[in-house]
This record gives sequence, C-alpha cells and structure tokens, in this order.
Amino acid sequence: QLQLQESGPGLVKPSETLSLTCTVSGGSISSSSYYWGWIRQPPGKGLEWIGNIYYSGRTYYNPSLKSRVTISVDTSKNQFSLKLTSVTAADTAVYYCARTSLNWNDVDWGQGTLVTVSS
Amino acid sequence: EVVMTQSPATLSVSPGERATLSCRASQSVNSNLAWYQQKPGQAPRLLIYGASTRATGFPARFSGSGSGTEFTLTISSLQSEDFAVYYCQQYNNWPPYTFGQGTKLEIK
Repeated sequence: QLQLQESGPGLVKPSETLSLTCTVSGGSISSSSYYWGWIRQPPGKGLEWIGNIYYSGRTYYNPSLKSRVTISVDTSKNQFSLKLTSVTAADTAVYYCARTSLNWNDVDWGQGTLVTVSS
Repeated sequence: EVVMTQSPATLSVSPGERATLSCRASQSVNSNLAWYQQKPGQAPRLLIYGASTRATGFPARFSGSGSGTEFTLTISSLQSEDFAVYYCQQYNNWPPYTFGQGTKLEIK
C-alpha cells in the first residue's frame, strides 16, 4: 500500500527558504503513470495546488508561486522535495504531498505537515 | 486561471436527509472535476472524479453530476460520518489545478 510521508522543519523564519521532503513507500517514484506534487492549506482555509513533477523531471508550477518554487525528485531515495523561497506569514500552512494518476482517477495524500513562518 | 465557486459555504442537514452541494467553474472544465471529503485533522480524500465516478471506498449514497461549468455532489441519506468539508477541484485547464473554497456540511 502506498504511503507518503512529509518531513522538514515546522518553523521557518520570514525571508528564509521552506524545504520539505516527501518519502514514498509502497510504490516507485519512477512510475510513468503518476504525477508527484505538493498542495497546501492555510489554517482554517481552503486548498492551494503548488506544483507537480513527473518522473522525467518535468515540472509544473502554480503561476502565483512559480517564481519562488522548486520541486525536484530523487529517484535513488524514492523521494521528492519542495523548496519555497522568501517565505512570509502568508506561507504558513499544512503542506501535503500527493501522488496523482495522469487521468485523476487515483489520488493519494500524505498526512500533511504544518509549517509556520515566524521569527 | 479557472475559478471554482462552491455553494453554500455551510450546509446544515439532519442525519438521514439529502444534501446537495454545488460547484461552478468560471469556464468549461468538461467533466474533469473532482470532489474531495476532508475531516478535521485529516488530509482530503478523493471522493468523485470525472464529475460522476465514485472513488474506491465510498458508498453509493454519494453521487456526482454535471459537466461544463455546473456540478453537483449529492449525498442521498446522510450518515454521521459524512459530516465534513467538501471541496471541488478542476483538472481540465492547468496549471494551475484549482479548488473551490469548500462547503462545510454540518449536523442540523
């Protein structure tokens, strides 16, 4: 059974870089059938898609975040990562990693990790 | 960017009754529309994809309909475990995938 687990600092200072890793177990990140992505949810608010990466390394980002976001994949560790630069309090959210099938008939989520931006 | 608008923001329904949730897209998304169920402290869970196909694990009392710009999620007879927040999301015109703001289904 597929499991996705987010990891990284729970507290980041303003203007610094948020870095999270998603470790995949029970499935290969090298599969051509899926996208691997990040979605966030500010406390008490709705969902915002951040971006996806395909096994080939092709990335797709939300235009609203594109200038600050990098998603990368490490196939040797079966992990993918998120970097978000120049964070502000508005970036405080629960960050979820997710696996999405190409035709969207299968979506698996990690449990989420809360990242707070504060000095 | 496709804007997704859900209504109502909060829906109060008694157990055993029917709930109807709406989702509207600012432009056609064909049938590339998903619904998610999110319970407190949990990740969202895919409920419906392709506007009307139930995902694994959800009972037949959940149904989705619509295409183009107007979509509906219907829960035919509410059970206690169905009270949650429901989000719609389009995956037709991306990036970005976009979500509605959510409908909170609460016990009346």
